Amino acid sequence: GAVVSQHPSWVICKSGTSVKIECRSLDFQATTMFWYRQFPKQSLMLMATSNEGSKATYEQGVEKDKFLINHASLTLSTLTVTSAHPEDSSFYICSAGGAVTPSYNEQFFGPGTRLTVL
Amino acid sequence: AQKVTQAQTEISVVEKEDVTLDCVYETRDTTYYLFWYKQPPSGELVFLIRRNSFDEQNEISGRYSWNFQKSTSSFNFTITASQVVDSAVYFCALLGYNQGGKLIFGQGTELSVKP
Repeated sequence: GAVVSQHPSWVICKSGTSVKIECRSLDFQATTMFWYRQFPKQSLMLMATSNEGSKATYEQGVEKDKFLINHASLTLSTLTVTSAHPEDSSFYICSAGGAVTPSYNEQFFGPGTRLTVL
Repeated sequence: AQKVTQAQTEISVVEKEDVTLDCVYETRDTTYYLFWYKQPPSGELVFLIRRNSFDEQNEISGRYSWNFQKSTSSFNFTITASQVVDSAVYFCALLGYNQGGKLIFGQGTELSVKP
């Protein structure tokens, strides 16, 4: 099946620093990648959708200047949390679509990145 | 509007009991897909099943079974003879054909299976 990886799996940083999270599709070309955020005991909330070579589309309430998304190739998307603060501590999950089937009927999820901001 | 409701926040059962997790959805798309995912404590989502809106056949996979009823907009998930390893958070999700690939997740149901 299609495999998606994320790096790092966990990160601890100081308040005010920036953190980059990578999402890679290992065995397929992902035309679309999605970034989700999950707070403890809550559901996954979509943050943004990115298509290769285009600007990301952010969901309402997500600060695009704080959460920078780059989808430079068909196998890599990055999420940079700029000037991170403790309230940004969360579990970030990416998913990729456009593999065997279009993203409108299947997506493949990465294992997630746990961000802790001190 | 697209919406998924999992009314059961937490369920606790004893091993070998059967348990049903409810999922009700709302969508205006005539073509859509429904999913169930399992999220163990490690956090990684585990894909369980995908169903499209034109296939109302129930499905069974080992101890897992799914009941899809368009008339009630429900897609319920039953675990037969539950095991401790089934303990996890289970999410139901909806993907509408015209929604640009946006998966809408329910709130999740935390299942605890005690020995």
